[in-house]
Amino acid sequence: RKEVEQDPGPFNVPEGATVAFNCTYSNSASQSFFWYRQDCRKEPKLLMSVYSSGNEDGRFTAQLNRASQYISLLIRDSKLSDSATYLCAVNRGWGGKLIFGQGTELSVKP
Amino acid sequence: GAGVSQSPSNKVTEKGKDVELRCDPISGHTALYWYRQSLGQGLEFLIYFQGNSAPDKSGLPSDRFSAERTGGSVSTLTIQRTQQEDSAVYLCASSQRTSGGPLSYEQYFGPGTRLTVT
Repeated sequence: RKEVEQDPGPFNVPEGATVAFNCTYSNSASQSFFWYRQDCRKEPKLLMSVYSSGNEDGRFTAQLNRASQYISLLIRDSKLSDSATYLCAVNRGWGGKLIFGQGTELSVKP
Repeated sequence: GAGVSQSPSNKVTEKGKDVELRCDPISGHTALYWYRQSLGQGLEFLIYFQGNSAPDKSGLPSDRFSAERTGGSVSTLTIQRTQQEDSAVYLCASSQRTSGGPLSYEQYFGPGTRLTVT
């Protein structure tokens, strides 16, 4: 079992839809959590950091459930430009290497 | 400000040759990381440097891989005697530090070097 696992994709949704991704992690000592967005043949770009119970930024909400060891990313009012692969990353401590999930592909259709 | 830069952007090499990949982190960032991304393996950690501390080399896949960071800034990842399975995108990231407030742990990636071993 991988240390960080994500929902299998792809997710195909219409514009305006709300979509949620889950990411589970197996190391209970993990302290910090991140969502990255990666466009095709580009580098991952930091979307959100999650350090406590959750974080919200405009249409994006990330939540952390330490008891069940998962984080989620909610995208409201999806835009065509949200189409990308979303990577979940976990840090076992504070700082240091990130462990990435395999990514979930999102395709927003008109 | 300027982000993480990497060079070259693409590198094609023959099996058995050595290659060097360069990373220039964000100015003022003390922590620097190397990852690689390939189709079958996703994004995997290779090595990281934090200030003057000994680097964490736990992700290097073999002794053909090495990295150094000179002057606490620029880093070079060297792959000796390249193999076809080394073909991947090599990504460098940097963060302000690895201790301190939460924002200091956030890692920002460069555009990567796409390595193809023929």
